[in-house]
Amino acid sequence: NAGVTQTPKFQVLKTGQSMTLQCAQDMNHEYMSWYRQDPGMGLRLIHYSVGAGITDQGEVPNGYNVSRSTTEDFPLRLLSAAPSQTSVYFCASSSWTGKNYGYTFGSGTRLTVV
Amino acid sequence: AQKITQTQPGMFVQEKEAVTLDCTYDTSDQSYGLFWYKQPSSGEMIFLIYQGSYDEQNATEGRYSLNFQKARKSANLVISASQLGDSAMYFCAMREEIFSNDYKLSFGAGTTVTVRA
Repeated sequence: NAGVTQTPKFQVLKTGQSMTLQCAQDMNHEYMSWYRQDPGMGLRLIHYSVGAGITDQGEVPNGYNVSRSTTEDFPLRLLSAAPSQTSVYFCASSSWTGKNYGYTFGSGTRLTVV
Repeated sequence: AQKITQTQPGMFVQEKEAVTLDCTYDTSDQSYGLFWYKQPSSGEMIFLIYQGSYDEQNATEGRYSLNFQKARKSANLVISASQLGDSAMYFCAMREEIFSNDYKLSFGAGTTVTVRA
């Protein structure tokens, strides 16, 4: 089925380790974004991209890097994991076309940093 | 500053009754979009309904309707005839255009709805 695919679904990291959360979409959406969800705070925007080669910071970008070399992929990199980055991460994509500029979300990655 | 405010952390509703979830927003843009998403305990984000700032009529999607009061900057979600499967967290979100073709989607803190049999 078409949609947004996130991997892995679960991950445990030690403080200081690095890793990449993968996100891929097959809907040819221009817009992709990463959010983190923490209890009582809703979803907060980390980084986003309006097209291949273009990225920008969201509300909480510190500690995260992104790149967008293709329309389909938008990986999120944690360079040196910290316990404060324990969260659930969602990737979302959207197109400019359509009635509601609908955002499609991946199933999420639950990350624990110990 | 908080752009999306959901003042009800949790709500209980009796099965088959209607429930209204409050959402207020803050923007100076004339063009924006308002969304509601449902997040069940399984964790996925499910799109429910959308209202554009220029839409004159309130959006409806099945048992979901959005009570849009532009002057009050309010976009409340009404779920009619609640079902046990409606028990979930509900998020209000707003899409703003930062500049041409550059958008941001901001979320409220969410409201947990529990439907009682």
